[in-house]
Amino acid sequence: DAGITQSPRHKVTETGTPVTLRCHQTENHRYMYWYRQDPGHGLRLIHYSYGVKDTDKGEVSDGYSVSRSKTEDFLLTLESATSSQTSVYFCAISDRGENSPLHFGNGTRLTVT
Amino acid sequence: AQSVTQLDSHVSVSEGTPVLLRCNYSSSYSPSLFWYVQHPNKGLQLLLKYTSAATLVKGINGFEAEFKKSETSFHLTKPSAHMSDAAEYFCVVSGAGGYNKLIFGAGTRLAVHP
Repeated sequence: DAGITQSPRHKVTETGTPVTLRCHQTENHRYMYWYRQDPGHGLRLIHYSYGVKDTDKGEVSDGYSVSRSKTEDFLLTLESATSSQTSVYFCAISDRGENSPLHFGNGTRLTVT
Repeated sequence: AQSVTQLDSHVSVSEGTPVLLRCNYSSSYSPSLFWYVQHPNKGLQLLLKYTSAATLVKGINGFEAEFKKSETSFHLTKPSAHMSDAAEYFCVVSGAGGYNKLIFGAGTRLAVHP
């Protein structure tokens, strides 16, 4: 899995609580991405990073924030989890920008009750 | 704007028979196109990529796809299905933008029966 570790792999949390998901890579790739996967929607981009401290929003960024203080770590935070954020979250990395393939982690399954 | 449509949400084949997973795309310029595969409880893995070189692209595990600009299609095929091919497959088109904006289809779940 191209040296990508997501933690935790599974999490159950209650509505209104903060949640942080971690993505750690050992490939020294510049670009990192957070996606969510929901049935019938494929994968949708939440946020991405193009370098340390350089991040930007994707298509479904509301309710999420990210941070990247080191090349190898990209954190996704749900400030106040809602049931609509129940999903499987995938981290991906790439060494180049546009049109380059992504390498994915194994995902984090988050359930908000 | 770019978009991608996978024409079948589920495909079922018998082991040893051909596989066809259909994908149509929409793009205002020459796109890059990808197929990814996802096995249960795993992340997505790149099968193959088209980037305006040869229109017939060969990927891993015997899969290939043909880019047809006139039909705006990028269908995935394999001559003979194996049980291990059972998975979900995603057709992906590159979007416009300064970053690696990929637009994913909704996925096709492939079942392979003995």
